Amino acid sequence: DAKTTQPPSMDCAEGRAANLPCNHSTISGNEYVYWYRQIHSQGPQYIIHGLKNNETNEMASLIITEDRKSSTLILPHATLRDTAVYYCIVTLYNQGGKLIFGQGTELSVKP
Amino acid sequence: GAVVSQHPSRVICKSGTSVKIECRSLDFQATTMFWYRQFPKQSLMLMATSNEGSKATYEQGVEKDKFLINHASLTLSTLTVTSAHPEDSSFYICSARGASGGSNEQFFGPGTRLTVL
Repeated sequence: DAKTTQPPSMDCAEGRAANLPCNHSTISGNEYVYWYRQIHSQGPQYIIHGLKNNETNEMASLIITEDRKSSTLILPHATLRDTAVYYCIVTLYNQGGKLIFGQGTELSVKP
Repeated sequence: GAVVSQHPSRVICKSGTSVKIECRSLDFQATTMFWYRQFPKQSLMLMATSNEGSKATYEQGVEKDKFLINHASLTLSTLTVTSAHPEDSSFYICSARGASGGSNEQFFGPGTRLTVL
């Protein structure tokens, strides 16, 4: 699986958009980008995933660059409950579903 | 989203005893379940992958005789930590993947906090 690089921590003001970057420069053509988050002492929660096109759901938007070497997860209006560690994971969908977690970004949403 | 439960949520045991943790998919059939371990301030580490009706596949460095995994049905997988020691104290998390072929989306359980005295 391609390796990902994320900043260890970020702050965001409540109500503002949180933009979380992820570098995956060695991603291969058939690898997907997945985002999960983990609120303290809970199991991870799926957020969104994509292959090439930008994706949006009720939680977030995923912007993938044209060369697919990086992506950005956007939480459009961050709330205090969005404080969590966010993980960007690249994986082959047909590899049996293995997700290898990196260190993630600890997002702190402040009032 | 789909719901995955774990039981117990928290367990304290004496050194040398065995502990069983259950992972259940409540509203879908999980062809594959995964077990992770997470130490404080660290990321999740994949321990093993289990497919219903077959032997689990362990990640490098994970002792299969110490961490026994059984996936006897499409809704239940168990992890047994045998002869637990204080260094096995950790947060154990399972996840389940459904039978849909087009996605790697996994649904995670709430985790089990194991403390070995």
